[in-house]
Formats: sequence, C-alpha cells, structure tokens
Amino acid sequence: QAVLTQPPSASGTPGQRVTISCSGSSSNIETNSVNWYQQLPGSAPTLLIYSTNQRPSGVPDRFSASKSGTSASLAISGLQPEDEADYYCASWDDSRSNPGYVFGAGTTVTVL
Amino acid sequence: DVQLVESGGGLVKPGRSLRLSCTTSGFNFADSAMRWFRQAPGKGLEWVGFIRSNMYGGSTKFAASVRGRFAISRDDSKAVVYLEMNNLKADDTGTYYCTRESDFDSSASHWGQGTHVTVSS
Repeated sequence: QAVLTQPPSASGTPGQRVTISCSGSSSNIETNSVNWYQQLPGSAPTLLIYSTNQRPSGVPDRFSASKSGTSASLAISGLQPEDEADYYCASWDDSRSNPGYVFGAGTTVTVL
Repeated sequence: DVQLVESGGGLVKPGRSLRLSCTTSGFNFADSAMRWFRQAPGKGLEWVGFIRSNMYGGSTKFAASVRGRFAISRDDSKAVVYLEMNNLKADDTGTYYCTRESDFDSSASHWGQGTHVTVSS
C-alpha cells in the first residue's frame, strides 16, 4: 500500500475551496520537500507543486500547498470544472531500510 | 519546449526482458537527472528509479520492487535514457513514464506521455 496517506476522494461545487490532506512520517514529509501532481483523465501526470509550496510556471495561483510536521495539504481555491482530476502527493523517504520516492494513493477530485 | 517521448512498450511474456527508451529535447539533458515512474491499470503512481547526471557519476537508485531486475542507462550524445527490464512479472504491467528531475528538489518537472507494458503469457 501507499506510504503516504490521502483521502480517496474530495468534491466541491465550482468556486468552492477544496483541501486534500497527505499524511506521512518523520522520514519523508517532515524532513523532505513535498510535491503534488495532477493527473487529468487519460493523461500523464503533471507537476503541480514543488519544494512543498512552489508552483511551476503555468500553474494557476488557485492551487496552494503547505506542510506542518508529518502532514501536508493541497488547497484548490475557486474550484473550476477543469480541476476534476486525480491528485497525488509525493516526497523522498529517507528510511534506512528502503529509501525512495514515495506517493500517496491519490485523491480523486470531483466538481459537482 | 521540453519534450520526452517514451517508446519500446508492448506485450511480453513473464520472465522475458524489454528495453524502454525515452528520447528527449528542449533542455540540457547531460546536466539532468532522469527518473522513471509507472502506473498499473487503474492504480496510483509508483517511482521505479532514477539516474543521476554523469557530473554526479551517473549513479542509479531503484525501488525495492524492481531492484536487481531493472537497470537505467543514459546516452548523453543522443539525449536518451533507457530502462532495461529483466525477468518481467505480471505485476510489472502498466504505463511507464520517463521524467526529468526538477532543478529544485526531487520532483519530476516534466513527463512523457507514457508507454504501455503488458506482461502476460
């Protein structure tokens, strides 16, 4: 199963604010940056957030992210129909036994 | 524009090998770390492994699920990265994505469109 924990689904009406949580541990989120990816239906993922809270150029500023301790979150303010997608959090994990880049299982955002 | 195009996917029997290629353009490939990810049908994303630039020794690291069976190499003269997959298992079935590592952290800043691999007898 996934190392990071995300809710399987989230939803909102257009214009609403939706928040997605991502829970990890001291070996990943607490000590390393968090990334978020968006995967539109039938498409490859794209980078939404790097360095925990930075948006690549071209990503709308309605997407924001933060972390506190072993948890992180992604917020979508002013939800748009085109935001309907799967969202994955990820981070490097420094565990001694099996270091690697780990993901959450993904959250499907539905625009009602 | 940054472009990454994977190729080489297909249907392969369990225990056989397959080599995926990722042809890139639009960025300084030689200075970039490259990563492979995969996604089983209807499932989430999984990191497969990465290769550092030759400036950092071209070292590789892999997920436990593929360690010892998969290898990554690069040809900086062609701006191509390869994923050599050996002793393939049914669990290796999925879409394989080639990505460029971000300049800022371990994120994957650019993704290819993916190539499908099906391991079945």
